[in-house]
Amino acid sequence: GENVEQHPSTLSVQEGDSAVIKCTYSDSASNYFPWYKQELGKRPQLIIDIRSNVGEKKDQRIAVTLNKTAKHFSLHITETQPEDSAVYFCAASIDNNAGNMLTFGGGTRLMVKP
Amino acid sequence: SAVISQKPSRDICQRGTSLTIQCQVDSQVTMMFWYRQQPGQSLTLIATANQGSEATYESGFVIDKFPISRPNLTFSTLTVSNMSPEDSSIYLCSLRGLAGGDTQYFGPGTRLTVL
Repeated sequence: GENVEQHPSTLSVQEGDSAVIKCTYSDSASNYFPWYKQELGKRPQLIIDIRSNVGEKKDQRIAVTLNKTAKHFSLHITETQPEDSAVYFCAASIDNNAGNMLTFGGGTRLMVKP
Repeated sequence: SAVISQKPSRDICQRGTSLTIQCQVDSQVTMMFWYRQQPGQSLTLIATANQGSEATYESGFVIDKFPISRPNLTFSTLTVSNMSPEDSSIYLCSLRGLAGGDTQYFGPGTRLTVL
């Protein structure tokens, strides 16, 4: 089955700096890669996703890049703010009409210091 | 997005007892799942709740320990049976296929503590 590894497990940045979180996956058939943000005591919330037919996607301060050949994808947060502090999870799945299950990475605890 | 509710939001239980967690969605969805999130850990899929048939369990999870029901497209239950302290965790229902889309959403979770 799919295996997703995520690095780093913790990341501390100064407010205004950029943060980058990287994930690798094992199944070359995976074609859907969402990122979730989980604040303390809250549910995971989807913040951005990318499909394998594109290499990059941006939404304001957040961007995700995908390298299918190397089987890795990354989350980039620019101009970080204290409210970006949370645990971020990457995931991978094979998206087809039957649906499929997400396999999650281990998570990255991001701390943005004011 | 849909409104997803879970009951109870938290509970403290004695070992050897069972707890049933309910998940209600305000719209019909194609797929519903149950996840476990142990303290400080990632999300682990327990099973896919299939409407009108037996759930599909992931490796390491069995029906006798985690029986699941899904009587219709908006409701599912997960029972944690014969609990031990190792079952202390957050249990989250999740859904996919809302309004024909494929984004996966999560419920608010049930925080279970087993003494």
